[in-house]
Amino acid sequence: AQKVTQTQTSISVMEKTTVTMDCVYETRDSSYFLFWYKQTASGEIVFLIRQDSYKKENATEGHYSLNFQKPKSSIGLIITATQIEDSAVYFCAMRIASSSFSKLVFGQGTSLSVVP
Amino acid sequence: GPKVLQIPSHQIIDMGQMVTLNCDPVSNHLYFYWYKQILGQQMEFLVNFYNGKVMEKSKLFKDQFSVERPDGSYFTLKIQPTALEDSAVYFCASSLQLGALREYFGPGTRLTVL
Repeated sequence: AQKVTQTQTSISVMEKTTVTMDCVYETRDSSYFLFWYKQTASGEIVFLIRQDSYKKENATEGHYSLNFQKPKSSIGLIITATQIEDSAVYFCAMRIASSSFSKLVFGQGTSLSVVP
Repeated sequence: GPKVLQIPSHQIIDMGQMVTLNCDPVSNHLYFYWYKQILGQQMEFLVNFYNGKVMEKSKLFKDQFSVERPDGSYFTLKIQPTALEDSAVYFCASSLQLGALREYFGPGTRLTVL
């Protein structure tokens, strides 16, 4: 069974700084996809970025980037030049690459507060 | 971008009653999902649905739960009868394909069972 763990419950950072959120995952599958979503104060769930397990290069998307360390089963999210509006709960999630199964398994979430 | 809509945004019912949560997925999407989020916790997979059938369900998808999408209309989650532990936010999602492609999530329906 798959499992995703986010140990950081909450983080507070100053605006315009860089923050890293940790995520480790467990799976026996050799091929999988890793996602980061954020949930805003209104409850909206927003897709941020995806990493494919077979790719060595870290994914980047705007001011989001990933630190993918496959041997450690780790997929950290890096947000550079943080803004107030980045304040949200960030969820790491995993899906195995199978045509039969498609569920996303989520971590517990990390609450990020960006302060001026 | 593509939007998933959910109706209603909030539903309050008495324990034992039936409730139907409605989801209007992205128009050309083929795969549909329901996730449950208890306050302050992560989202947990309930069920996915494709071509008129449940493909996969979790242990949270109790016998009292059912899903359907009759004739391309709303994708619905029905709970009959409801229990106190069903109180949560239910998120609908849809995707064009399985695997790598992202799921688009709706805004959620907050269900309160009294």
